[in-house]
Amino acid sequence: DAGVTQSPTHLIKTRGQQVTLRCSPKSGHDTVSWYQQALGQGPQFIFQYYEEEERQRGNFPDRFSGHQFPNYSSELNVNALLLGDSALYLCASSLDPGSYNEQFFGPGTRLTVL
Amino acid sequence: AQTVTQSQPEMSVQEAETVTLSCTYDTSESDYYLFWYKQPPSRQMILVIRQEAYKQQNATENRFSVNFQKAAKSFSLKISDSQLGDAAMYFCAGRDQTGANNLFFGTGTRLTVIP
Repeated sequence: DAGVTQSPTHLIKTRGQQVTLRCSPKSGHDTVSWYQQALGQGPQFIFQYYEEEERQRGNFPDRFSGHQFPNYSSELNVNALLLGDSALYLCASSLDPGSYNEQFFGPGTRLTVL
Repeated sequence: AQTVTQSQPEMSVQEAETVTLSCTYDTSESDYYLFWYKQPPSRQMILVIRQEAYKQQNATENRFSVNFQKAAKSFSLKISDSQLGDAAMYFCAGRDQTGANNLFFGTGTRLTVIP
């Protein structure tokens, strides 16, 4: 049983560009959450998707957007990249956001903005 | 708003010894969950242990145990018989029951295990 997978592993972009990160949840999971982890910091919640809709959003600008597909996989899009967007982006999947279930994390995508 | 505070940026422990990592959690909610996650150099966040706030008994998972003091908003992690594989970043996190299962993390404690 594959766990949470993310692609790509590493990514280098320049300021002003746009980037798309991808996440496949653990088998059987229907909820995907995205987190940004800046260097030396703990992860910060970006948003969560369930049933192809954004359920909850953290304190991130509209440049950060997402999508969830019918197979529950998800994408994170960041437009107009800033140097401060350089971070490790973590995807976590779980079952049913309405009740507690453990979140399983992927290995992350390291984004560097030059 | 929820806040999670870890005041120990780095800790070290001798192999086979015991170490305690500290965390405080502040929320206006009465029901919530608290967690300790381990993040090794491979970057994958791994759940170590969790505690439901309504439970008085402290959680234990093998060599890992917590000391949850609700009134003091304290949630510490004790690692017994430390092993080299325990070396990692440890993050304290919280989740309110009213939330959509999103987690609020502290800034982490880097644990070094000395052979």
